[in-house]
Amino acid sequence: AQSVTQLGSHVSVSEGALVLLRCNYSSSVPPYLFWYVQYPNQGLQLLLKYTTGATLVKGINGFEAEFKKSETSFHLTKPSAHMSDAAEYFCAVSGTGANNLFFGTGTRLTVIP
Amino acid sequence: NAGVTQTPKFQVLKTGQSMTLQCAQDMNHEYMSWYRQDPGMGLRLIHYSVGAGITDQGEVPNGYNVSRSTTEDFPLRLLSAAPSQTSVYFCASSYSGARTDTQYFGPGTRLTVL
Repeated sequence: AQSVTQLGSHVSVSEGALVLLRCNYSSSVPPYLFWYVQYPNQGLQLLLKYTTGATLVKGINGFEAEFKKSETSFHLTKPSAHMSDAAEYFCAVSGTGANNLFFGTGTRLTVIP
Repeated sequence: NAGVTQTPKFQVLKTGQSMTLQCAQDMNHEYMSWYRQDPGMGLRLIHYSVGAGITDQGEVPNGYNVSRSTTEDFPLRLLSAAPSQTSVYFCASSYSGARTDTQYFGPGTRLTVL
């Protein structure tokens, strides 16, 4: 069965500090993993995705994530937080058939000036 | 390209009323889907379509109907609205429906059922 667990519904960091958002997944097939960002009152926008190949994936706005099969994790990081990073972040795993996504419950990131 | 568009942005219904949420995309995508977003629950798949004339149920299909008569449009129908259907609804599309495809999301429709 496909599922995603995001630890921490709210994360606060200071501007310039490291951002770490955690995601663990369960998948009955080789997983394809996604991170999406949602700004207030907007739809979701893809940050990055892992399909196959390199396990360290770089995305937009300086974010990256590392796929660790042994830990069933796909944590999102950014070395230095910016005020514009304040948003809600969703991790998702692809379903076993068509392009259906199973989302985590989301992590709201607050950046403190 | 307008991408994925949704109308209306906001809607208030009374229990038992029906309505259709509209979704359109201009990217010639084969795959389209509807999700609902509820606080603390992330997004959950309602229905999806892998091409015109083909639809299937997702995780939470009860109370919703869909059809796909064209590649561009994928409306979501609420036949008899219930307060439990108060939510934010997102339509999404992707090129082919392959598991690796990126899904592109619309701006959402915020629905309140009284």
